[in-house]
Amino acid sequence: GEDVEQSLFLSVREGDSSVINCTYTDSSSTYLYWYKQEPGAGLQLLTYIFSNMDMKQDQRLTVLLNKKDKHLSLRIADTQTGDSAIYFCADHSGGYQKVTFGTGTKLQVIP
Amino acid sequence: ETGVTQTPRHLVMGMTNKKSLKCEQHLGHNAMYWYKQSAKKPLELMFVYNFKEQTENNSVPSRFSPECPNSSHLFLHLHTLQPEDSALYLCASSPERGRGDTQYFGPGTRLTVL
Repeated sequence: GEDVEQSLFLSVREGDSSVINCTYTDSSSTYLYWYKQEPGAGLQLLTYIFSNMDMKQDQRLTVLLNKKDKHLSLRIADTQTGDSAIYFCADHSGGYQKVTFGTGTKLQVIP
Repeated sequence: ETGVTQTPRHLVMGMTNKKSLKCEQHLGHNAMYWYKQSAKKPLELMFVYNFKEQTENNSVPSRFSPECPNSSHLFLHLHTLQPEDSALYLCASSPERGRGDTQYFGPGTRLTVL
């Protein structure tokens, strides 16, 4: 089956940029998503990118997609304490049309 | 407000109890999902309903029983659970299964089985 992998933990200082990385194995991905989960809450869709795009920017968020290497990243500029959460990468398979989630990366922002 | 609500938000139950989780979506979607989220593990898709019909059951034990009376409501009936079933149970919805649609999630029910 498809795999989506992320590192488990990232710590950054407030005001710095955060970069969360994700790799996936599915060669028929159509969409790739980033979700945010704050403590005690469900998943919140942050942004997504179509597989034929290389980059998408949305305010402080920049998504980069390297389809050849099957690598996705989420950059958060000027990271704030409110950005502390778990970030999930998810891959939407075009073949079977299902969403596969990574394990999540816990982002800790140090004031 | 995500448009997907879940009740209760927290539930503690014994192994012999029977309880139900409820999910409601106000987005006009036709597909609904149950996921299990355990610590340090990827989200596990449990069940999928598309237009009220169950289309996926990912080898979920029979002590979990879903019900989808209409496209807006989804239930997960629980009976004789095990302590390892303690987890966050997330409900999601999307316009339709199988069309590349984004799934929108509820806040989850934190379940503890004693």
